[in-house]
Amino acid sequence: EVQLLESGGGFVQPGGSLRLSCAASGFTFSNYAMSWVRQAPGKGLEWVSGISVSGGSTYYADSVKGRFTISRDNSKNTLYLQMNSLRAEDTAVFSCARARDTAMINPFDYWGQGTLVTVSS
Amino acid sequence: QSVLTQPPSASGTPGQRVTISCSGSSPNIGSNTVHWYQQLPGTAPKLLIYNTNQRPSGVPDRFSGSKSGTSASLAISGLQSEDEADYYCAAWDDSLIGWVFGGGTKLTVL
Repeated sequence: EVQLLESGGGFVQPGGSLRLSCAASGFTFSNYAMSWVRQAPGKGLEWVSGISVSGGSTYYADSVKGRFTISRDNSKNTLYLQMNSLRAEDTAVFSCARARDTAMINPFDYWGQGTLVTVSS
Repeated sequence: QSVLTQPPSASGTPGQRVTISCSGSSPNIGSNTVHWYQQLPGTAPKLLIYNTNQRPSGVPDRFSGSKSGTSASLAISGLQSEDEADYYCAAWDDSLIGWVFGGGTKLTVL
């Protein structure tokens, strides 16, 4: 059974940093592109960042470019999101999502339940 | 402001057919396939339609998708109470080099 389990969320002040993790199981992690998608309270889905199977290619939404860094460790079946210079508008539930195949342009067929990030003073 | 535009709400009675539209532009819907997600209250999104009109295993054939130019639609026939959820369209954007979503449509079954 495919499982994606996020962790690392919490409360942080504006300008602070957090590192999210997504532990994957039930599939060959290194065969799938992965992404982070967030959902602000009561709002819609927003794609944040994506990474290729090898980790050699990374992609970011303009809203987080230069502040967030996505990475993966295929030996640990884990996806990461390093978030720096956090702003109030980054407050959201952050979920990891698996692409349906190796390429980034494949839709997301499995999602985690998400981890809440709250940015407030 | 989402890159893809959806109506914020839609409604129908049990058994009815409803459609949800999704409007984009050349770099996204105009150049790539469209995908639809269903998000039931308090749950993670679920892939409902992929590659514009394909259903993953387990999705009833009451759900169908289509695309014309830079717009796409999700149709739900034989509406059921359990279809009450938020629906999101998504597409890869060749200009932004990333995924774009619609703002979501809240479907109410009256």
